[in-house]
Amino acid sequence: RKEVEQDPGPFNVPEGATVAFNCTYSNSASQSFFWYRQDCRKEPKLLMSVYSSGNEDGRFTAQLNRASQYISLLIRDSKLSDSATYLCVVNIPTLKGSARQLTFGSGTQLTVLP
Amino acid sequence: EAGVTQSPTHLIKTRGQQVTLRCSPISGHTSVYWYQQALGLGLQFLLWYDEGEERNRGNVPPRFSGRQFPNYSSELNVNALELEDSALYLCASSLLLRQALQETQYFGPGTRLLVL
Repeated sequence: RKEVEQDPGPFNVPEGATVAFNCTYSNSASQSFFWYRQDCRKEPKLLMSVYSSGNEDGRFTAQLNRASQYISLLIRDSKLSDSATYLCVVNIPTLKGSARQLTFGSGTQLTVLP
Repeated sequence: EAGVTQSPTHLIKTRGQQVTLRCSPISGHTSVYWYQQALGLGLQFLLWYDEGEERNRGNVPPRFSGRQFPNYSSELNVNALELEDSALYLCASSLLLRQALQETQYFGPGTRLLVL
């Protein structure tokens, strides 16, 4: 089982639609969670951190369910500029004491259509 | 504020050659991470440096190595290049706070390596 799993998509939605992405992680000791966005042939950019109580940033809402080890990202009123690959990212503690690293899901591709 | 910078932007090498990639972190960041992203695939963690030392290593062969300098910039070296090393190599920096539970990484634009 992969440490971080995402539905690869692609998701093709019309402008104005609401779309939701899901992600599951395998390590219950994970403490930090993020959504990154990666445009074609570009570097990943932080979209938002995900907090236990859930958080919202404009049209974007992130939720965390620790019991189910599940993270979600909801995008409302989709724009053409939202077309990208969305990466679910989890900070998974390693065996090396305080060593930490981010593990990236393989990403979910979104295309918003005019 | 300047972001993470990487050089070169593009590189073409042949099998068996060696390559050195460079990364300068955001000012004040002490941690540098290296990732490999082959075309159409996800990010694979390679190496993590903090305060000049290697802190963690991904599941990569020994021909991948690197170092971090006193100014926190970093190099990634790949020896005996193979065709499958062709990828986008991304560097990210972060500020490692003791006891921090949230540690955000910021990426550079990457170096595209093509091995022929």
